[in-house]
Amino acid sequence: KAGVTQTPRYLIKTRGQQVTLSCSPISGHRSVSWYQQTPGQGLQFLFEYFSETQRNKGNFPGRFSGRQFSNSRSEMNVSTLELGDSALYLCASSLAGAPTDTQYFGPGTRLTVL
Amino acid sequence: AQSVSQHNHHVILSEAASLELGCNYSYGGTVNLFWYVQYPGQHLQLLLKYFSGDPLVKGIKGFEAEFIKSKFSFNLRKPSVQWSDTAEYFCAASGGSYIPTFGRGTSLIVHP
Repeated sequence: KAGVTQTPRYLIKTRGQQVTLSCSPISGHRSVSWYQQTPGQGLQFLFEYFSETQRNKGNFPGRFSGRQFSNSRSEMNVSTLELGDSALYLCASSLAGAPTDTQYFGPGTRLTVL
Repeated sequence: AQSVSQHNHHVILSEAASLELGCNYSYGGTVNLFWYVQYPGQHLQLLLKYFSGDPLVKGIKGFEAEFIKSKFSFNLRKPSVQWSDTAEYFCAASGGSYIPTFGRGTSLIVHP
């Protein structure tokens, strides 16, 4: 069974630009979550999608948005990039997104904002 | 506010030493607890999880964790570490709603 895949793996952008990251979950998984990982803040929850609907949202500004398609693939968009958005963005999928479900993480997209 | 604290940010051990990584959580009501591991160059993966039943949970690769409700703790243990256990370890918790909270992580280095 293929794991969670994320593209691209590395990205360099400049302040003010926008970026779109993609995540393909494990086949059969309907819940996709996104996290931001930085050395200073650790892993922080961005949002979770289930059946094309945003079901949960963390404490991030509206510049961070996402969507999920009917095949459960998900995209995350960050508009008007700031230097502080430089981070590793992780995607995780689970069967149904229940609190007890195991999440399976992808390798991440390393975003650098210059 | 819900939070997860990992006491040790960096731990250095020799092979065959015993390991205990501390994790304390601040959650009201039902809590689900997880330990994840990230080996160098690899994805985050689940080591073990607890959501009910026996408070002593056994995971992969000889790891175990004990849920002590009175202490709000979920410490990770391994009786004898190996060089291959060198990794970053994350404790996480989720409550009645889905949104999980992760600790800052503990970097473990095991010398052969």
